[in-house]
Amino acid sequence: QSVLTQPPSVSGAPGQRVTVSCTGNSSNIGAGYDVCWYQQPPGTAPKLLIYASTNRPSGVPDRFSGSKSGTSASLAISGLQAEDEADYYCQSYDSSLRAWVFGGGTKLTVL
Amino acid sequence: QITLKESGPTLVNPTQTLTLTCSFSGFSLMTSGVGVGWIRQPPGKALEWLALIFWNDDQRYSPSLKSRLTITKDTSKNQVVLTMTNMDPVDTATYYCAHRRTSDNAFDPWGQGTLVTVSS
Repeated sequence: QSVLTQPPSVSGAPGQRVTVSCTGNSSNIGAGYDVCWYQQPPGTAPKLLIYASTNRPSGVPDRFSGSKSGTSASLAISGLQAEDEADYYCQSYDSSLRAWVFGGGTKLTVL
Repeated sequence: QITLKESGPTLVNPTQTLTLTCSFSGFSLMTSGVGVGWIRQPPGKALEWLALIFWNDDQRYSPSLKSRLTITKDTSKNQVVLTMTNMDPVDTATYYCAHRRTSDNAFDPWGQGTLVTVSS
């Protein structure tokens, strides 16, 4: 049972826009801690996609965007491409647990 | 350019102690704010944060695994070592080390990971 809750899967056709939600509580996202997102294609290590809730590292396409509100955060991917097919994880910090916490991951399928 | 690489045994027996080494380059664990963390991922499952050590030797552990984990650093060798005692088959996972960004709580980049199987 992950501290942050994500949908197990999302899907979309090439060119479409999808969103992945990440729900926390008042000890993590709701406490003001930033959220980051990772992309993990099959058989590879996670790669940072979004940091500080809304920022993209250099090299990450602007098709990827992050937002945060209250106790939740979201990752949006527009203009879906086949190469976007991967697992996506959100992560934050939890002050009650004094731990870095991850979501359960969301598998994106490009139809 | 920051790089990290994990090393250690690929197979351990139940009840044994696992020792993993993270060798890194491109940054110093003597620099204020810097940290290195360990995260694991059982096959087909989600990421789980295990431990993190800061430049000032502050050590943080997952509450559920704290009694079994020890994280240390060797700044002269640019290495971070994680030990996990009393290994069990449920601890079978790919173990990653990662650089914690100084400006926020994200991990970037990650090592390639090392698969550890616990079996007799």
